Amino acid sequence: DIQLTQSPSFLSASVGDRVTITCRASQDVSSYLSWFQQKPGQAPNLLVYGASTLQSGVPSRFSGRGSGTEFTLTISSLQPEDFATYYCLQLNTYPLTFGQGTRLEIK
Amino acid sequence: QVQLIQSGAEVKKPGASVKISCKASGYTFSNYVIHWVRQAPGHRPEWMGWIDAGNGNAEYSQKFKGRVIITKDTSANTVYMEVNSLTSEDTAVYYCARVTRTISGWYLKYWGQGTLVTVSS
Repeated sequence: DIQLTQSPSFLSASVGDRVTITCRASQDVSSYLSWFQQKPGQAPNLLVYGASTLQSGVPSRFSGRGSGTEFTLTISSLQPEDFATYYCLQLNTYPLTFGQGTRLEIK
Repeated sequence: QVQLIQSGAEVKKPGASVKISCKASGYTFSNYVIHWVRQAPGHRPEWMGWIDAGNGNAEYSQKFKGRVIITKDTSANTVYMEVNSLTSEDTAVYYCARVTRTISGWYLKYWGQGTLVTVSS
């Protein structure tokens, strides 16, 4: 199975900060990588697919980059509603696998 | 608009089975694949399997093969997932999610609201 390792696992930041989350894959997943935001009690919400394509309706402060084994999700200027847990998901190879999550909290 | 509406929360005893439904609306049911993902409390999501709502073909994670069955009822625009021989480790929120395909790949945009399954004696 392809392992996805996110870093950091926990991030404390302030409104207006720029933050970057990294997702590293144990094997090449090409660009078949998505990023999700999840808030307590809610289903995952798709932010980015194809490693870098912003889902319609997602604010432009979110951006994704990368291919192969290293990917990043950047939030350019944190807003109060961005404090949540973020997961990467690889869709290149079955079984699909998720990263362990990055919990983003208000400093 | 695309919607996936799942059945309500379940409480089951160890060794029992549970069958969760995922009713689709807002698109042509048989044209898309539905995946199932579960998430235990405090854990990352875990992929379980998928079904082609057109031909009924299903594939499963090796971890769940033989214990999980995914089926569909086209007349009801509904996909089902049955999990057998439940243990406390199956306590989780179970989600269905629909595939969206593009020229360059595919992704899971549309998700059900989740169904909490609690396994407890």
